[in-house]
Amino acid sequence: SQQGEEDPQALSIQEGENATMNCSYKTSINNLQWYRQNSGRGLVHLILIRSNEREKHSGRLRVTLDTSKKSSSLLITASRAADTASYFCATDSRDNFNKFYFGSGTKLNVKP
Amino acid sequence: GAVVSQHPSRVICKSGTSVKIECRSLDFQATTMFWYRQFPKQSLMLMATSNEGSKATYEQGVEKDKFLINHASLTLSTLTVTSAHPEDSSFYICSASIASTLRSEQYFGPGTRLTVT
Repeated sequence: SQQGEEDPQALSIQEGENATMNCSYKTSINNLQWYRQNSGRGLVHLILIRSNEREKHSGRLRVTLDTSKKSSSLLITASRAADTASYFCATDSRDNFNKFYFGSGTKLNVKP
Repeated sequence: GAVVSQHPSRVICKSGTSVKIECRSLDFQATTMFWYRQFPKQSLMLMATSNEGSKATYEQGVEKDKFLINHASLTLSTLTVTSAHPEDSSFYICSASIASTLRSEQYFGPGTRLTVT
């Protein structure tokens, strides 16, 4: 990817379980964002975390950011079949906050 | 609010022809628009950044003569794939940005599936 990697590449869990996805990036950032993409569709913005924040919550989503390790994680709690999608992190860069670079993505399958 | 549309949603064209894809911000004026390409089961790759009234800035490895970008107004950007080949078949996604201070909100279109036969 242009910016970084995500792991795992694919994750299959049962409904009700938690799902954790990790994202690593290469350059210093201002913000990191997580997006969801259903197959063959556009992107849905999930959450934004600033470089001076360490953790952020939104509903069943919890995002952490470790700028020293250049990594972030997305935790989805109590997963549902409707959470089945690909999840991407996107980072901007210190010298251009207006351009986003996407991670390689994690394909999540939540089995009912 | 902040809706971005793309047209067409799907297009099939013959090898050697050109295809134009439109990206519109419907309820806001976008200072910048971006074009991404996504191959099957892969991530989004930023192709170019487009500011209204100026030339687009292309990412390394993207041929500017092949992917023509026009950003004629604050609500419309177009991507023309010229002399398309089967390897140009991909999912093209645009986004429109309202840039403020140190934070950029990008709103993504639903994508255009291009198939070149």
